[in-house]
Amino acid sequence: AQSVTQLDSQVPVFEEAPVELRCNYSSSVSVYLFWYVQYPNQGLQLLLKYLSGSTLVKGINGFEAEFNKSQTSFHLRKPSVHISDTAEYFCAVSGRTGANNLFFGTGTRLTVIP
Amino acid sequence: EAQVTQNPRYLITVTGKKLTVTCSQNMNHEYMSWYRQDPGLGLRQIYYSMNVEVTDKGDVPEGYKVSRKEKRNFPLILESPSPNQTSLYFCASSLARRTSGNFYEQYFGPGTRLTVT
Repeated sequence: AQSVTQLDSQVPVFEEAPVELRCNYSSSVSVYLFWYVQYPNQGLQLLLKYLSGSTLVKGINGFEAEFNKSQTSFHLRKPSVHISDTAEYFCAVSGRTGANNLFFGTGTRLTVIP
Repeated sequence: EAQVTQNPRYLITVTGKKLTVTCSQNMNHEYMSWYRQDPGLGLRQIYYSMNVEVTDKGDVPEGYKVSRKEKRNFPLILESPSPNQTSLYFCASSLARRTSGNFYEQYFGPGTRLTVT
């Protein structure tokens, strides 16, 4: 089975400052890794994914994440945040075999302060 | 337009009154899944289906039923709702993995906010 730990439930950050949202995963099998974003009162949108290859993946809206196998981490970063980045961010993992099930972390609420 | 639709989007009901939340996709996906989202708990899988007439429990199936009689539809049934089922529910679909290592993105519906009083 897989599980995800998001270490910060809330992250306040000033506009134009950098941000890192932390995610660690646990799995007995090889995995795919994802970050989803949920804007207020909206559904889930895929921000980026790691499938294979380069450990640094780039997503939409200037976000990027780095897969670190030895530390079982997949932290999300953005060098300069905007007010519009205020949202809840979910890290998720899926095994590479078996059913296409996603296991989500508990979420990190990013609040960008003007 | 390729999409996953859910109905209703908002529902307030009373304890014990049976209800069904519908989910439909127009992408010919074999795999469909239901999640519930609760503050501080993230999204947790309730049930999933790999194809018509094939369903399986997720992490939190208690109090829920599903059926998959048609490929496009995957309704979530609460036979006797209780207040602890007050939550935001998401349906998702994707192609089903047949070969290890294949990746298929899941597409999410807009969510159904359920309140049970």
